Amino acid sequence: GESVGLHLPTLSVQEGDNSIINCAYSNSASDYFIWYKQESGKGPQFIIDIRSNMDKRQGQRVTVLLNKTVKHLSLQIAATQPGDSAVYFCAERSGNEKLTFGTGTRLTIIP
Amino acid sequence: NAGVTQTPKFQVLKTGQSMTLQCAQDMNHNSMYWYRQDPGMGLRLIYYSASEGTTDKGEVPNGYNVSRLNKREFSLRLESAAPSQTSVYFCASRDQEGSNQPQHFGDGTRLSIL
Repeated sequence: GESVGLHLPTLSVQEGDNSIINCAYSNSASDYFIWYKQESGKGPQFIIDIRSNMDKRQGQRVTVLLNKTVKHLSLQIAATQPGDSAVYFCAERSGNEKLTFGTGTRLTIIP
Repeated sequence: NAGVTQTPKFQVLKTGQSMTLQCAQDMNHNSMYWYRQDPGMGLRLIYYSASEGTTDKGEVPNGYNVSRLNKREFSLRLESAAPSQTSVYFCASRDQEGSNQPQHFGDGTRLSIL
C-alpha cells in the first residue's frame, strides 16, 4: 500500500543552527503535502504546505522542498530556537478528504 | 477564537464500558475528522464527515461510531471499549473553500482502557 515515511526518527540540532527534516512518500499521485508540528500534550499544528506543481515554498523561518522525481519532501527550519523542539510530521493527501501521515521525527534543540 | 475543542481531555474506562468523545469547531468548517495516535505510528483516520449529514469510514473504523450532530459538532462513540482502543484521539476540521486547505487539530483526548 501507499505510505509516507521519514528517514530519521530523531534529530538534535544546536540552537541557532539550521535543521532539515526529511520525508519520503510513495504515492506518485499525491498532489498536496503538509508539514505539522506537534508539541508534547498538544495536537498537530499546521506549519506549511505545498502543492505538487511547486518545488519550493517559504514561510517564516521555514522552507519546504518537494522533489517529485525521487518522491522526497523536506522541511528546513532556519536559526532554530528552543521553541522549535517538537515532533514534526509530514502528510500527503491521498484522496480528496484523506491525509496519510508519516510516523514523525523528534527534533531536539540543544541550548 | 477557540478553533477545535475536544472534551474530555483525559478518560479511563473499563473494558466493555461505552463512551462518547466530543468535538466542536468554531471556524465554520464543512469537513471534520477523527484520528487516533499510537506510539511509533502516525495519525490514523477513523472516520470523517465531509459535510453535515454525511459520514465515511477511514482507515481504522472498527469498534467506533460517529455522529455529525450539526456543522459545529462531530462526536466519536466507543460502544464497548477494548484495551486495543487505548490511544490519543484527535479531532480535526478543514475549510473546503479551495481544494488545498490544511486540517486544523484539537489538543486530543487521552483515553485508557483497563
